[in-house]
Amino acid sequence: DAKTTQPPSMDCAEGRAANLPCNHSTISGNEYVYWYRQIHSQGPQYIIHGLKNNETNEMASLIITEDRKSSTLILPHATLRDTAVYYCIAGGQGAQKLVFGQGTRLTINP
Amino acid sequence: NAGVMQNPRHLVRRRGQEARLRCSPVKGHSHVYWYRQLPEEGLKFMVYLQKENIIDESGMPKERFSAEFPKEGPSILRIQQVVRGDSAAYFCASSGKGGTRVNTEAFFGQGTRLTVV
Repeated sequence: DAKTTQPPSMDCAEGRAANLPCNHSTISGNEYVYWYRQIHSQGPQYIIHGLKNNETNEMASLIITEDRKSSTLILPHATLRDTAVYYCIAGGQGAQKLVFGQGTRLTINP
Repeated sequence: NAGVMQNPRHLVRRRGQEARLRCSPVKGHSHVYWYRQLPEEGLKFMVYLQKENIIDESGMPKERFSAEFPKEGPSILRIQQVVRGDSAAYFCASSGKGGTRVNTEAFFGQGTRLTVV
């Protein structure tokens, strides 16, 4: 699995868009980018994943650069409940053997 | 539709005892994964099982730890002769089988917090 690099922490005001960056410069052609989050020691929660096209679902948008070396997770209207550690994972297809790094601790401020 | 169910949520064991952690996957899921999260650290993969088979146990400690996913019943993570360093949160996840995209999301349980005293 490709190594990912994320900022250790970020702050965002409630109601604003939260943009979480991730670098995965060694990602290979068949590796997906997955995002999970962990709210206060609960089990991780799947957010979104993508291969090379931008993706959007009810939770977030995922923007992947054309060279696939980095991506950005966008939470369009952050709420206090979005405060969590966000993990960017670049790996083989499927849910197998996810490699969690240290993630980004996102704090949403009122 | 219940999600991944783990029990117990909290488990206290004395050093040298055995710990059994149970995980019932999402109904219909045949892939189960166990992860461990030490205090203030990220989650580490331990083992991946499909029904009655261990697919990848590269993250399992070589001794005292074992896992199974029988044809009937929940998946069990068993830790024999627990030591203080085993204190951690243990998370189970499951995913469905089938086509490529169907298998991409892992559903996690709420974890079992093991404390060894």
